[in-house]
Amino acid sequence: QLQLQESGSGLVKPSETLSLTCAVSGGSMNSGGYSWSWIRQPPGKGLEWIGYIYHGGSTSYNPSLQSRVTISADRSKNKFSLRLTSVTAADTAVYFCARLFFSKFYFDLWGQGTPVIVSS
Amino acid sequence: DIQMTQSPSSLSASIGDRVTISCQATEDISNYLNWYQQKPGKPPKLLIHGASNLETGVPSRFSGGGSGTDFTLTISSLQPEDIATYFCQQFHNFPITFGQGTRLETK
Repeated sequence: QLQLQESGSGLVKPSETLSLTCAVSGGSMNSGGYSWSWIRQPPGKGLEWIGYIYHGGSTSYNPSLQSRVTISADRSKNKFSLRLTSVTAADTAVYFCARLFFSKFYFDLWGQGTPVIVSS
Repeated sequence: DIQMTQSPSSLSASIGDRVTISCQATEDISNYLNWYQQKPGKPPKLLIHGASNLETGVPSRFSGGGSGTDFTLTISSLQPEDIATYFCQQFHNFPITFGQGTRLETK
């Protein structure tokens, strides 16, 4: 059964770069029809889609974050990553990785989420 | 961006009640609307996709309806395990956007 697990730094200083990785286990990222996404949820608030990387390596980002976001994948290691530069306190959130069923655009599998605090 | 507005923001209901949550889009999104359930400390769980299609394994007391700009999620008979926050999500246009959530509590 496919599972996703986030890992990375839980505390990032303002102006620095947030880096997270999502490990895919129990299956392959290389199966067609899915893209691999990052979504975040600030404390006590709603969900914000950050972006995704598709099977062929193309990416799509939320315009609100596009200038600061990079999503990449290492398919040989079955993992994908998020980099968010120049972070501020507004980037404090729980970050989820998720699988997006591409033809129907629903998130059918989620990691447990990892909290990231931006603070000096 | 398409804004998704859920109502109410919070709802108190009794076990066994029929509960309806609304989600309104700022423009026509056809049926490109999904619903998720999130319990505290957990990731969201997909309930409904394509406005009215029940995800495999989700109890049949959940149903979704609507098209265009107005959508509903209905729980026909509220159960204790349904206490959670519910989110709608549109995928008609990029960026993908979510509603702000409806927190469901028991009376």
